[in-house]
Amino acid sequence: GQQVMQIPQYQHVQEGEDFTTYCNSSTTLSNIQWYKQRPGGHPVFLIQLVKSGEVKKQKRLTFQFGEAKKNSSLHITATQTTDVGTYFCAGYGAGGTSYGKLTFGQGTILTVHP
Amino acid sequence: NAGVTQTPKFRVLKTGQSMTLLCAQDMNHEYMYWYRQDPGMGLRLIHYSVGEGTTAKGEVPDGYNVSRLKKQNFLLGLESAAPSQTSVYFCASSPEGEQYFGPGTRLTVT
Repeated sequence: GQQVMQIPQYQHVQEGEDFTTYCNSSTTLSNIQWYKQRPGGHPVFLIQLVKSGEVKKQKRLTFQFGEAKKNSSLHITATQTTDVGTYFCAGYGAGGTSYGKLTFGQGTILTVHP
Repeated sequence: NAGVTQTPKFRVLKTGQSMTLLCAQDMNHEYMYWYRQDPGMGLRLIHYSVGEGTTAKGEVPDGYNVSRLKKQNFLLGLESAAPSQTSVYFCASSPEGEQYFGPGTRLTVT
């Protein structure tokens, strides 16, 4: 079945440093989503990428979808303590619907030291 | 709007006991999902529903049953709880695409 791998599992940074997490799928994806989960909280939707090579920005966050639609990345510029949490990527398999089985990566736990 | 709500928030069961987790959404979403979250495992899909009266198996359905009798509610049942079902359970709903999660239920089976 479809597998989505995320690296690194953990990342510790000093406030102000940049952070990147990578997501790789074993199969081609129709789209990819990113979620953030604060400690003790629930996942919150950040963004969805659909097109090959797509790049989207949200303030200090930059999301990319690979040309082959099998990988994605999230980059945070100049991290702040409010960025602390677990970042998940999740994808729908190519040829599937946008409401069926969304496969999540294991997540990257980000710690920001002030 | 309350969004997605889950009851209960916490529960402790003994092995072999049964229980039902309730998920409710007030956003008129067609699609609803049940996930479990374990350390280092991410979110794994248990069952999902694409509309009232429908259910389908996800990645880890064994030991769980679900029902979607009303569009706004999605119930997850454990008929005979096992320690391996100790986890945090999240419900989510979706109009199509992005998913909206509830606050979660922390279940411990002893």
